[in-house]
Amino acid sequence: DAGVIQSPRHEVTEMGQEVTLRCKPISGHNSLFWYRQTMMRGLELLIYFNNNVPIDDSGMPEDRFSAKMPNASFSTLKIQPSEPRDSAVYFCASSFPGLAGGISTDTQYFGPGTRLTVL
Amino acid sequence: GQNIDQPTEMTATEGAIVQINCTYQTSGFNGLFWYQQHAGEAPTFLSYNVLDGLEEKGRFSSFLSRSKGYSYLLLKELQMKDSASYLCAVRSFGNSGYSTLTFGKGTMLLVSP
Repeated sequence: DAGVIQSPRHEVTEMGQEVTLRCKPISGHNSLFWYRQTMMRGLELLIYFNNNVPIDDSGMPEDRFSAKMPNASFSTLKIQPSEPRDSAVYFCASSFPGLAGGISTDTQYFGPGTRLTVL
Repeated sequence: GQNIDQPTEMTATEGAIVQINCTYQTSGFNGLFWYQQHAGEAPTFLSYNVLDGLEEKGRFSSFLSRSKGYSYLLLKELQMKDSASYLCAVRSFGNSGYSTLTFGKGTMLLVSP
């Protein structure tokens, strides 16, 4: 089975440029999450979708960041304009409410990440 | 808000047992996850606890005490490939009614020969 797919795997760009990161969740999963990971701040939730609808974007750092999920199999995270402090690894994860012993698990499965460097 | 604490680094030798602790303060708690992350790779799911007690999965076990806001991950018969960062993550329900994970900063485990 294919896991979460992200592209590109690496992106190097110059300050002020637009950056678009892409994610394809696991087929059948109805929740999608975008995270950012840095050494200083660890893994932070930026935004999440349920059934293609944005539920909470309170983790999005600034208006320069936006995310969309036009259908169940595709999501984008866009940064415009990009700044050096946006340099990080961006992960996409997906999940589907599951039950184990009658208890919801909601295990999230992560994609390989996009390493973004803004010069 | 959420507050999750775990040690920054730990070292151990091959074949030994190591326990990685995690303490948390949160509202709307609904489960605790452990993830493993090798350098340059994505976090991968290891274990999940929602009720108090010990969950065993091969060489890995995870324990939860909800009243104490405490969990640990126990790794037995350590192997070199276990060198990685171990992330504690608390699941909680927000105002939206949906659950999200809040991650600790991870514990970097170095296994030496």
